[in-house]
Amino acid sequence: EIVLTQSPATLSLSPGERATLSCRASQSVSRYLAWYQQKPGQAPRLLIYDVSNRATGIPARFSGSGSGTDFTLNISSLEPEDFAVYYCQQRSNWPPRLTFGGGTKVEIK
Amino acid sequence: EVQLVESGGGLVQPGRSLRLSCVASGFPFDDYAMHWVRQAPGKGLEWVSGITWNSGDIGYADSVKGRFTISRDNAKSSLYLQMNSLRAADTALYYCAKGSGAAYWGQGTLVTVSS
Repeated sequence: EIVLTQSPATLSLSPGERATLSCRASQSVSRYLAWYQQKPGQAPRLLIYDVSNRATGIPARFSGSGSGTDFTLNISSLEPEDFAVYYCQQRSNWPPRLTFGGGTKVEIK
Repeated sequence: EVQLVESGGGLVQPGRSLRLSCVASGFPFDDYAMHWVRQAPGKGLEWVSGITWNSGDIGYADSVKGRFTISRDNAKSSLYLQMNSLRAADTALYYCAKGSGAAYWGQGTLVTVSS
C-alpha cells in the first residue's frame, strides 16, 4: 500500500510570496498524482491532476511537477484566497482506490 | 454543471447501520467511476470506497472492509454506501466524488456515531 507524506505540515507565508509544497510517496507512483485545495467548511477542490495539469478554472500561479516518488505543488505568488489546506492524492483504477497525503496548511504569516 | 448531493447522514448508536446516498447530475453518471471519501472532524481526507462505472470492480479501505458496502444504480444516477456495525471512529463528513481521480465532490453528509 502506497503512503503519501506531505511536508511541511504547516507553511507560514505572506501574500505575494512563493509556496512550495512537497508530497513524497513510499514507492514509485504512476502519473496519477493530484493536488487539492480545501478551505474551512468547503469540499476539496481539484487543482492539479496527472502531476502537472491544471484543472478547469485553476489560475496559472498553481503548478505541479515531479516524478517517481517526489512531487511538488508550487504557488508562484500567494493571493489572500490561497491560504488553505492542500492535499496530494494518488489513485489506482483497478481496483478503484485513492490515497491521500496528510495535508499541508498554508497560513498567513 | 456537475452536481453531487449526498444524504442519509445523522446520529446513530455504535453497532447500528446507516445508508448514505449520492445523487448525481450534470454528467453521464454511467460513464464514471465513483468514490466515497470521509473526513473526521479536524482531520485529513480518508478514502473509504470506490466503484467502477459498471460495478465490475470495487475497492474498500481496510478500516471499513467487511462492514461497508458500496453500490450504484446507473438508472437513477445514484451512488450508495451501506454502513453496518458503525463505530465511533466512523464519525466523519462523508463525501461522494466523481471519476476515478475524484475531480468533483459533493458537499458531504455528516455521520455521527455516538451513544
